[in-house]
Amino acid sequence: EVQLVESGGGLEQPGGSLRLTCVASGFIFDNYAMGWVRQAPGKGLEWVSAITANSGRTFFADSVKGRFAISRDNSKNTLSLQINSLRAEDAAMYYCAKWSPSGYDSWGQGTLVTVSS
Amino acid sequence: SYVLTQPPSLSVAPGKTASITCGGDNIGSMSVHWYQQRPGQAPVLVVFSHDDRPSGVPERISSSNSGNTATLTITRVAAGDEADYYCHVWDSSREQVVFGGGTKLTVL
Repeated sequence: EVQLVESGGGLEQPGGSLRLTCVASGFIFDNYAMGWVRQAPGKGLEWVSAITANSGRTFFADSVKGRFAISRDNSKNTLSLQINSLRAEDAAMYYCAKWSPSGYDSWGQGTLVTVSS
Repeated sequence: SYVLTQPPSLSVAPGKTASITCGGDNIGSMSVHWYQQRPGQAPVLVVFSHDDRPSGVPERISSSNSGNTATLTITRVAAGDEADYYCHVWDSSREQVVFGGGTKLTVL
């Protein structure tokens, strides 16, 4: 059974930084691209970033380009999202998701980022 | 940037058919994936690519895609289908994932 468990969310001030982590199990992690999708309270899904299976390529939404960094450690089955220069509009539930040709076929339960001074 | 347009809401009586549209420029040439999100839960993939379903998703949930509109169809709607539904494509020109704004399906 595929499991994706996110952590690292919390309350941070505007301009601050957070590092989100997703630990994967139940599949061969280094065979799959992975991504992050966020959802602000009461709003729709917003894609944030993605990374290929071997970390060769990364992709970002325009709204986070230059502030967010995505990485993975295939030896530890771990996906990370470094969030810098936090803004109020970054407050959301952040989901880690497994990418396949079928789309995002597995999702974690999310980690909540709150931005407030 | 590429935009996917969904109706914000749709109400359907039990036992009837729900058709949720997703509009985008020449979307018929793209692979469209659909997700269901129940309140308080993570999204779940319900249809991918060309009307394929992950195991466990009933056949009464299907999709079609042509021209500028993709459609998710749910027949014999039941209370358990009440959820938000999102369409998703990969915009290869900008190398970005795009989600539609979501449609809240209410079962009357």
